[in-house]
Amino acid sequence: DGGITQSPKYLFRKEGQNVTLSCEQNLNHDAMYWYRQDPGQGLRLIYYSQIVNDFQKGDIAEGYSVSREKKESFPLTVTSAQKNPTAFYLCASTKRQGGDYYGYTFGSGTRLTVV
Amino acid sequence: RKEVEQDPGPFNVPEGATVAFNCTYSNSASQSFFWYRQDCRKEPKLLMSVYSSGNEDGRFTAQLNRASQYISLLIRDSKLSDSATYLCVVNNAGNMLTFGGGTRLMVKP
Repeated sequence: DGGITQSPKYLFRKEGQNVTLSCEQNLNHDAMYWYRQDPGQGLRLIYYSQIVNDFQKGDIAEGYSVSREKKESFPLTVTSAQKNPTAFYLCASTKRQGGDYYGYTFGSGTRLTVV
Repeated sequence: RKEVEQDPGPFNVPEGATVAFNCTYSNSASQSFFWYRQDCRKEPKLLMSVYSSGNEDGRFTAQLNRASQYISLLIRDSKLSDSATYLCVVNNAGNMLTFGGGTRLMVKP
């Protein structure tokens, strides 16, 4: 079955450590996105990529980095510069049809905690 | 002012009740609108799109008022399984989804 796989489901990070969250999709979707959700809050866009080898900053990109070397994969690195990284991270993808994008699909999320 | 605003709730209703959620958005150029459902500690899932003429899917009815920049979701005959957080989502140019903070619904027996 097609879908988006995020791993790991739970991740613990020590202060000053970089960690990478994986996001893989086999839906043949063109665009991929990373969102962050804090308790009781909506989702905020970190980075997005509409095509391989290209990505754009979202609203809260500071302290994060991404790459898009393959259409299927869009890993997110949470760097030590991100001072408050504890949150629920969601990856999403969507397919381009004509000039528009349709059908956001979300992964099941990674819960990151700083220890 | 937030781009998409919702009453966080919680809305506590008995089974069988009708409940309505509202949402306002600030970008008059917003192009498409959705309601997503999010269960506790899970990812959001698309509940329904919202069309200008209003649309219904079983017990759920969505309405859009572009002039007032207002979206609503009505749930009839509430079930215990409807308990979740409902996210109002707006799609602006370039297919950027902007999420409201969500409205929490708790349906009690």
